Amino acid sequence: DVKVTQSSRYLVKRTGEKVFLECVQDMDHENMFWYRQDPGLGLRLIYFSYDVKMKEKGDIPEGYSVSREKKERFSLILESASTNQTSMYLCASASGGLAGGRWRGANVLTFGAGSRLTVL
Amino acid sequence: DAKTTQPNSMESNEEEPVHLPCNHSTISGTDYIHWYRQLPSQGPEYVIHGLTSNVNNRMASLAIAEDRKSSTLILHRATLRDAAVYYCILRPSGGSNYKLTFGKGTLLTVNP
Repeated sequence: DVKVTQSSRYLVKRTGEKVFLECVQDMDHENMFWYRQDPGLGLRLIYFSYDVKMKEKGDIPEGYSVSREKKERFSLILESASTNQTSMYLCASASGGLAGGRWRGANVLTFGAGSRLTVL
Repeated sequence: DAKTTQPNSMESNEEEPVHLPCNHSTISGTDYIHWYRQLPSQGPEYVIHGLTSNVNNRMASLAIAEDRKSSTLILHRATLRDAAVYYCILRPSGGSNYKLTFGKGTLLTVNP
């Protein structure tokens, strides 16, 4: 019954390494998201994709990039990992299209289990 | 963006009802009210959502005040598995409305 799968639950990387976090959904959803979650800060949106090859910056995109070459897969890339990127990363997907740059409908999110990244 | 206010924590006993409050006094007319919960070491999971009318599903009930400035998530019989952080969020009606803002939520403790 798994719907949003994040490739790694735990990763340990070194400062300066390039890091790929992969997310796959099997619900044929148009929209996919990457959040990070830190104690006391809640969930913060990094990037959002509403279609293949389309992306929008979230609230904290600095230091991150994303790739969406196929509808079911959304990758988060840390070009040069830093210690302040140590965090829990959450991928989510949602159905519903954009019209005029705005979502229509309730747009419930389905989250993956999360990837805990430690950068040393 | 409209914000929500929730108590930091609440406590309940197993098999008793739980009422989790949420204030959203700046809600706009077309904002959806969503509730998610996050179990330990898991990603958030959807619980319920509503717009104006009260809603029921297999997990919970959502009671929305007539003026929509507050809502209450009702777990009819709490179980140990319901111990989680519960988030009340609003899906904004304008602008970049895919930017759902998750606050700190309410940590629910369920006592056996």
